[in-house]
Amino acid sequence: AQSVTQLDSQVPVFEEAPVELRCNYSSSVSVYLFWYVQYPNQGLQLLLKYLSGSTLVKGINGFEAEFNKSQTSFHLRKPSVHISDTAEYFCALGGGFQKLVFGTGTRLLVSP
Amino acid sequence: DARVTQTPRHKVTEMGQEVTMRCQPILGHNTVFWYRQTMMQGLELLAYFRNRAPLDDSGMPKDRFSAEMPDATLATLKIQPSEPRDSAVYFCASGPRKTSSYEQYFGPGTRLTVT
Repeated sequence: AQSVTQLDSQVPVFEEAPVELRCNYSSSVSVYLFWYVQYPNQGLQLLLKYLSGSTLVKGINGFEAEFNKSQTSFHLRKPSVHISDTAEYFCALGGGFQKLVFGTGTRLLVSP
Repeated sequence: DARVTQTPRHKVTEMGQEVTMRCQPILGHNTVFWYRQTMMQGLELLAYFRNRAPLDDSGMPKDRFSAEMPDATLATLKIQPSEPRDSAVYFCASGPRKTSSYEQYFGPGTRLTVT
C-alpha cells in the first residue's frame, strides 16, 4: 500500500528564517512526489514535483525539495520565509491511475 | 490563465435538501477528481473520472452522493438528502491527458454548510 506521512502538523517560524517541512512516503512502485500549498480559503496549488532525474527539485516561490530514496523522504525547504508563506502544505504521492495519495498536511506559521 | 472553476463558492442549506455542486475542468484535461476537506478527516478523495467515465467512487457515501460528467466541460456532485455531517469544503481538480502525469489542478472549492 502507498502512504504519505507528514510528521509535523504545525511548524512555527520567524520571518527570514529557514524552514524544512518533512515528508516520508511508502511505495512499492515507481515514485512520483508532489508538494502542494493551500492558502486560506483557497484550493491547493502545485508547488513542485519529482517525476525522475535530478533529486533536487526547485519550485515556485523559492521552495525546493530533495528526493531521498534510501530514506524514503521528500522534504520541502526554503532558505528564508516570508509572512506570505503562511499556509498549509501537503505532500502527495502518485498512487496509480493518476490518483494522488495526500499526507495530512503541515501548517506553516510565519511570524514577524 | 486556465483554471478550474467551481460553483457555487458558498452554499448554506437545511438538512434534507438537495445540493448540487458544479465544476468546469481546464479545457483539454481528461481526468476530474472530487475531494472533500474537513478539519477532522483532512482531504478525502470522493470520486474521479477519466474521459467522463467514473473510475472510482469508493470514497463516496453511495446512498446520498452521486457524481456525473454530463459532458467534458461539466462535472457535478450531488448530495440528496444533505445532512449536517456533510458540511465541508468540496474541491474539484482536473488533470491533463498524459496518463503518466499525476498533476492535478484544483478549483477554489465550494464551502457547504448544512444546518
